[in-house]
Amino acid sequence: GDSVTQMEGPVTLSEEAFLTINCTYTATGYPSLFWYVQYPGEGLQLLLKATKADDKGSNKGFEATYRKETTSFHLEKGSVQVSDSAVYFCALSDQGRRALTFGSGTRLQVQP
Amino acid sequence: ETGVTQTPRHLVMGMTNKKSLKCEQHLGHNAMYWYKQSAKKPLELMFVYSLEERVENNSVPSRFSPECPNSSHLFLHLHTLQPEDSALYLCASSQPNTGELFFGEGSRLTVL
Repeated sequence: GDSVTQMEGPVTLSEEAFLTINCTYTATGYPSLFWYVQYPGEGLQLLLKATKADDKGSNKGFEATYRKETTSFHLEKGSVQVSDSAVYFCALSDQGRRALTFGSGTRLQVQP
Repeated sequence: ETGVTQTPRHLVMGMTNKKSLKCEQHLGHNAMYWYKQSAKKPLELMFVYSLEERVENNSVPSRFSPECPNSSHLFLHLHTLQPEDSALYLCASSQPNTGELFFGEGSRLTVL
């Protein structure tokens, strides 16, 4: 079945540091890929997405590129802020299914 | 109100109690979902409703009983729960074929 694997956290960075959160997936067919973010006390919200190989999703300074050859969708940001502290979830949507398959989440803590 | 609203936000119940979680969406979506979020585990899909019909049920114990009376409302009826059922229960909605889920803030359930 489909699965998503994320790097374990927490990831602790200083403000303005470079961020990478790794995500790899297994799926049948050609899934769409997503990053969701969950701020403390809130539900998940979509951060960015990519629907086909080599697409780059971007939002709020975050980027991720759909790499079919390595089955990866790593999240990056050039300069993190304290307000980016949250839990980040990688997810995929396979053909024929409405629901998303999520990874276990990676907690990011940014220190001033 | 807009978005996806869940009530109650917090619920404490004994193992012999019967309670319900409620979800309401004001986005005009036709699919609704229940996910379970436990510490250090991937989000677990519980149920999917499309046009008020249950289309997915991921081997959830019968002590969880969903109900979708219309496309805007979704309930999760709870009875004779176990302490390991304590978790954050997230409701989401979507339009078909977008892959983007809109989440509520969740209902934090504690079973004593």
